[in-house]
Amino acid sequence: GQQLNQSPQSMFIQEGEDVSMNCTSSSIFNTWLWYKQDPGEGPVLLIALYKAGELTSNGRLTAQFGITRKDSFLNISASIPSDVGIYFCAGQRGAGTYKYIFGTGTRLKVLA
Amino acid sequence: SAVISQKPSRDICQRGTSLTIQCQVDSQVTMMFWYRQQPGQSLTLIATANQGSEATYESGFVIDKFPISRPNLTFSTLTVSNLSPEDSSIYLCSARPISYNEQFFGPGTRLTVL
Repeated sequence: GQQLNQSPQSMFIQEGEDVSMNCTSSSIFNTWLWYKQDPGEGPVLLIALYKAGELTSNGRLTAQFGITRKDSFLNISASIPSDVGIYFCAGQRGAGTYKYIFGTGTRLKVLA
Repeated sequence: SAVISQKPSRDICQRGTSLTIQCQVDSQVTMMFWYRQQPGQSLTLIATANQGSEATYESGFVIDKFPISRPNLTFSTLTVSNLSPEDSSIYLCSARPISYNEQFFGPGTRLTVL
């Protein structure tokens, strides 16, 4: 099935650094969700975005709904070791389409 | 939000047998979904579990292999039939609460087929 492109695919960063990742598509979306998945667990919803240009924070996490509605961004400030995991975006096109399309994932590793 | 539990959390099964996974949500939800995920990979939607009617399957997934039940607004089961080693994967239940467009996931069931 279709997937959204996420970049980078993986990243190693030092503890305390800021992290940026993005999710892109050739199609327009009406809703973006960002998830974090720890090993052996299900994805946990971090942030939901509903409007183009919207900027939403959840603690050290900030996500943005791209102005073109074809992309979304997630930033993590002052990373800590427990930020390790895989981050997935998911987009919903709306207009009667109820399913979310998931991204390919960004694997984050934090070096203490 | 919705709290979702799955049983079993993991299982090891023999080739040719079946495994039924249960999914329970702590509140009524409009939509329930079943996904498959290979370790370290993205999520692949198997089907949407419809209450009181047949599930809606995605391309590549068929009812004979993945029968799904959803008898009410808080519970669903996924059966993986006639198991082969290629079915070894993580199976995730997901749900969308009433009046929300957000989607929540259970902890997953890790299936290993020998």
